[in-house]
Amino acid sequence: EAQVTQNPRYLITVTGKKLTVTCSQNMNHEYMSWYRQDPGLGLRQIYYSMNVEVTDKGDVPEGYKVSRKEKRNFPLILESPSPNQTSLYFCASSHLGEQFFGPGTRLTVL
Amino acid sequence: AQSVSQHNHHVILSEAASLELGCNYSYGGTVNLFWYVQYPGQHLQLLLKYFSGDPLVKGIKGFEAEFIKSKFSFNLRKPSVQWSDTAEYFCAVKGNSGGYQKVTFGTGTKLQVIP
Repeated sequence: EAQVTQNPRYLITVTGKKLTVTCSQNMNHEYMSWYRQDPGLGLRQIYYSMNVEVTDKGDVPEGYKVSRKEKRNFPLILESPSPNQTSLYFCASSHLGEQFFGPGTRLTVL
Repeated sequence: AQSVSQHNHHVILSEAASLELGCNYSYGGTVNLFWYVQYPGQHLQLLLKYFSGDPLVKGIKGFEAEFIKSKFSFNLRKPSVQWSDTAEYFCAVKGNSGGYQKVTFGTGTKLQVIP
């Protein structure tokens, strides 16, 4: 089954404690993205990747890092999380612009 | 830069009513357009997409959208909504001009269908 998986699905953490959210896709897509969804703001792109070892900033990259060492994986790293990063995060792979979303990760930073 | 506007933030309809959700985009060239739906507690799923050809696009679950180039619009319609259509709907645009082809999402419209 074609899918995008994310882990963990839910995470509560404290300010400053480094965390990683994993993302994996099995559709052999070159493009992958991370979005955050906040009420009234829709989806905003954090980072994207056009292929292995090729990443770039989206609209709201501050406080986040990504890596793309393999085509299927695109982890999101928060080196020092802050409360304003409390949000719902979606990873997506894409083909011809159509986004295939993961199930989401609800992150709470206390 | 491209942008998307969804002017209806919250729509409440009774079952069997007709639906039209507005979407306007800003971009100087050719575009691909998308509508996604997010049911409560779930991720976004594609409803329909427009790449080229017939500007009237039919999607899943009886939804359709019309691309009107002169109005920079891609409104979503459904002749008769059901309670199960209660969800949030997002319009998205992808500009087609060189380099990374970024997709921009609107802020979403929450649809509540009352039985």
